[in-house]
Order: sequence, then structure tokens, then C-alpha cells
Amino acid sequence: SQQGEEDPQALSIQEGENATMNCSYKTSINNLQWYRQNSGRGLVHLILIRSNEREKHSGRLRVTLDTSKKSSSLLITASRAADTASYFCATASTGGFKTIFGAGTRLFVKA
Amino acid sequence: ETGVTQTPRHLVMGMTNKKSLKCEQHLGHNAMYWYKQSAKKPLELMFVYSLEERVENNSVPSRFSPECPNSSHLFLHLHTLQPEDSALYLCASSQESGGRLGEQFFGPGTRLTVL
Repeated sequence: SQQGEEDPQALSIQEGENATMNCSYKTSINNLQWYRQNSGRGLVHLILIRSNEREKHSGRLRVTLDTSKKSSSLLITASRAADTASYFCATASTGGFKTIFGAGTRLFVKA
Repeated sequence: ETGVTQTPRHLVMGMTNKKSLKCEQHLGHNAMYWYKQSAKKPLELMFVYSLEERVENNSVPSRFSPECPNSSHLFLHLHTLQPEDSALYLCASSQESGGRLGEQFFGPGTRLTVL
């Protein structure tokens, strides 16, 4: 089964609200990454958090990592219509080149 | 603009055709990737090249044939594809060091339709 699984599958919120997406994984990781994809386009890297880190911020993004629960969350604060996209978590293990992506969360921000 | 370009952006081909997808990265990275993205399925890693050598091949059918002539260019040669191969094919690159994987930079993708 896939490594990263996002929850929820879809999320619809009003502009200005916060959006929280969760990711669970099954095996040990070197790092976990979050990506955004606008419809039919390539993925854009948002943030990387290493296995020895617990929280990371980048602008309106906040990522947490709990290795004991094998889970991560992405929080987007004060969402904007332009944040409408699919968000994917991806896990990378040590010593390999395989980054495994989850199925993604589709976020829709209503203006 | 991520520094990774892909051509063509759209491709329609018959099952007996032979075509190639091209990817070029302008970031000086040492690893390149091919992914397949089908509707309602997670992104699937197909091939990985590190320093121009193939290091991952995820049980991809032989009708897909990758080629990495140098660290900046990656091709995916296609022949006798099936309709279920229709998908968005994404190329990515990254800088790897000491076995520690970093962020990947993706191209815009090639939307492939097999008739």
C-alpha cells in the first residue's frame, strides 16, 4: 500500500479560514515533504521537514511531524482563493531515491 | 517557472505509434525522475536517474524506455502503448548528496492520450 495517505481527500473552506491537512505514513523516513499542484500542472515544493524536526514554518504554512505516530499535518493560515489546489505529502527514506507520494487533498477556497 | 521544462505539453498517439517525451533541467541537479499521474491515483514513480545512471525502475512495462544522455536531459521513449497509459507524465529533478533526498522540482508535465 502507499506510504503517504492524506486526510481529508477534499476540503472546502471560505477565504480567510485556516485549512488543515493530515498525512500518515507507514515506514521510517528521512524527511517528509509537502507539495502543491494546480489542476493539470506540475507539482511545486512547499516545505520539507526532517525526521529530527517537529515543526516548521514558511510564510502562511506550518508543518508538524510526529514520528511516533507516523503523521504530519500542513496548516495554511488565512487562506486565499489562490490556495485552491491539490496538496500532497511525500516521504523519503534514507539510502534510496524513492520519494513516495500520497493521493493528495483537494482544497477549494471560496472567495 | 521551476527550471524544469517538458516537451511536448500535449501528445495524442495511436497504439502503434512511437514517440518520445523530453525533459530538460536548468538547475544543475544530479538526479532526474519520471512520474506517471493518472486520474484518482497517487503519483507513481517510474524511473530515477542519478548521475546519469538508472537507480530505480519501478516495474514499469517495457513499452516505456527511459534515456538519460547527460545530467540535464531525460527522455521517455514510448512504443505500442495502451489506452490505460493515458496520463500526465511528470519529470522532476533534485540535488542528492550523501543519500539524503531533497526537494524535487517538477516540470509542467506532458498530457498523453493514447487512442
